[in-house]
Parts: sequence; structure tokens; C-alpha cells
Amino acid sequence: RKEVEQDPGPFNVPEGATVAFNCTYSNSASQSFFWYRQDCRKEPKLLMSVYSSGNEDGRFTAQLNRASQYISLLIRDSKLSDSATYLCVVNRNNQGGKLIFGQGTELSVKP
Amino acid sequence: GAVVSQHPSRVICKSGTSVKIECRSLDFQATTMFWYRQFPKKSLMLMATSNEGSKATYEQGVEKDKFLINHASLTLSTLTVTSAHPEDSSFYICSARGGGNTNQPQHFGDGTRLSIL
Repeated sequence: RKEVEQDPGPFNVPEGATVAFNCTYSNSASQSFFWYRQDCRKEPKLLMSVYSSGNEDGRFTAQLNRASQYISLLIRDSKLSDSATYLCVVNRNNQGGKLIFGQGTELSVKP
Repeated sequence: GAVVSQHPSRVICKSGTSVKIECRSLDFQATTMFWYRQFPKKSLMLMATSNEGSKATYEQGVEKDKFLINHASLTLSTLTVTSAHPEDSSFYICSARGGGNTNQPQHFGDGTRLSIL
């Protein structure tokens, strides 16, 4: 079993749709969590950190459930520019802060 | 925001060549840098962790003599792929984190696409 597992995707949605991505992690010692976005043939870029209290940044909302070891990302009012691969990332804080990446979920927003 | 520069962005060379990739933090001091490799349609895989002034820590299965890492200053780490072969062709990405707080996010360079003929 992979340490970080994500929805397989791809997700094909129309503009304006709301889309949700799920992610589970297996290492209960993990302390910090992130969503990164990666465009085709580019480097990952930090989208947002994820906290137990939930956090929102514009159209993006991230949630963390430590008991279930579950992370989510909600995108409202999807834009064409949201098309990318979304990477769920877990920080192995007890191992010097190594990042463990999920395989990514591809999102394609269509006109 | 934090900026990490990686150079070169693209390399095409013959088998047997050694290739050096540089990773620089431009506006912060990076005590720790990480090197990743990503194959097409796959996730990023950590190769090694580089701490300024000490030897790099390699992940299981990564040959330290093949992938030489040097982190000589707080703003520069280099990865040298020695005697590269076609199977080493991949997208190599570095990241950097400032300070000793392991909760801080990493900032990525824009990657180096390596093609060995």
C-alpha cells in the first residue's frame, strides 16, 4: 500500500463546477500536509497547507481529518486555468521533513 | 515569495557523459535541499536530502556514487549524474526549505529535463 493515496482521476468537469479531491495517508506520525499543483512538464507549486481546523483560500478549501488520516481539497467555480495535476503531500516531520507525494489527480476543466 | 532557481532547464547529451545540475535559493538561506526525480505520469520520488556542510542522505535504492550531491553553501546545492545512461533520462527537481522547522513547505526549482541519447 502506498503511503499517500489519491483519487485516480482524471476528473473532467465543465467550467463553474465544484470538484473535490480526496487523499488518505498511512503514517499516523505525519504532522503537516500540503496540496501542490503541477502543470504539465513543470515543477510542483504550493497551493496551500492543510490544517485540522480547515482552511480556505478563495475558491479553494482544504480539510484534514487526523482520526481518519484523510485530506481533501474542494475547488469551487472551476476555471479553465485550474486544469492541472493536484498532488497530495505529506510531511514526514520525524524524518527531517521529507515530503511524500501522492501520485496526483489530474483535473481537466472544459469550456 | 521564496524563489528557487534550477539550472539548466534542459540537457541532451550522449551516454557516458556526466551532467551537473544546480539548485539555488535566491531570496532565502536553505539549510536543507531535496532532490527528486519524476518519470512521465508518475509521482515525484525523493532521491536524497542535502544539508549544508554535511553529507547527503540518500533514499533506499539511490546510488550515491552515481548521483553526487554537494551542498557547499546555504544557497547552492548541486546534483551530478555521473556516467549517465538512457535509463537516467528523467525530470530532476530540487526543492529548498529555509530554517530548521520541518513543518515549513518546500519551494521547488523549475526542474531539469535530462535526456541521454
